[in-house]
Amino acid sequence: ETGVTQTPRHLVMGMTNKKSLKCEQHLGHNAMYWYKQSAKKPLELMFVYNFKEQTENNSVPSRFSPECPNSSHLFLHLHTLQPEDSALYLCASSQDLSAGTQYFGPGTRLTVL
Amino acid sequence: EDQVTQSPEALRLQEGESSSLNCSYTVSGLRGLFWYRQDPGKGPEFLFTLYSAGEEKEKERLKATLTKKESFLHITAPKPEDSATYLCAVLNTGGGNKLTFGTGTQLKVEL
Repeated sequence: ETGVTQTPRHLVMGMTNKKSLKCEQHLGHNAMYWYKQSAKKPLELMFVYNFKEQTENNSVPSRFSPECPNSSHLFLHLHTLQPEDSALYLCASSQDLSAGTQYFGPGTRLTVL
Repeated sequence: EDQVTQSPEALRLQEGESSSLNCSYTVSGLRGLFWYRQDPGKGPEFLFTLYSAGEEKEKERLKATLTKKESFLHITAPKPEDSATYLCAVLNTGGGNKLTFGTGTQLKVEL
């Protein structure tokens, strides 16, 4: 788990709160990803960044706002979320967009009340 | 649109009872098929990448195989510590690095 770290591991927030999830990768990779994992559903890709530039937004609502200040750090800013946004949010990284293998962090378990 | 279907959804084995998990896929062009292991409350852990039909890879009690339509994850003489959810994902030959995941097989190995 030391390759990709995520904080916090657990987060409970109200619908009017603003919070941020943080991801850091120590693998020297250039591409980073946010995924959402809900029970009984496949992992859903949310955003992709390559060399700090966003390359994919998979029709994610604007209440989720990503930020990638450099190739090692990725944030997901959250505001005015809905209870259905409760899920495990996973960060991943890969060498670049041509390297298929993605390595995942431990995730942040988010509960929206 | 790429699709991945995993079966069974859940599997209960006795320790030492070998079995196989299935991953059926449809993809416009396969760049790679990936197997991950996920423990409860944790992120997926990479196991294998397979690139072409006929390829096989092994790691301890696990062996992954690939055909043009499906992949199998064979578990030989499993132990309780092999209990986890096993995820399959495909990557197509289109641009980017967008994995399409299945819903996983939840494996429980009992003493």
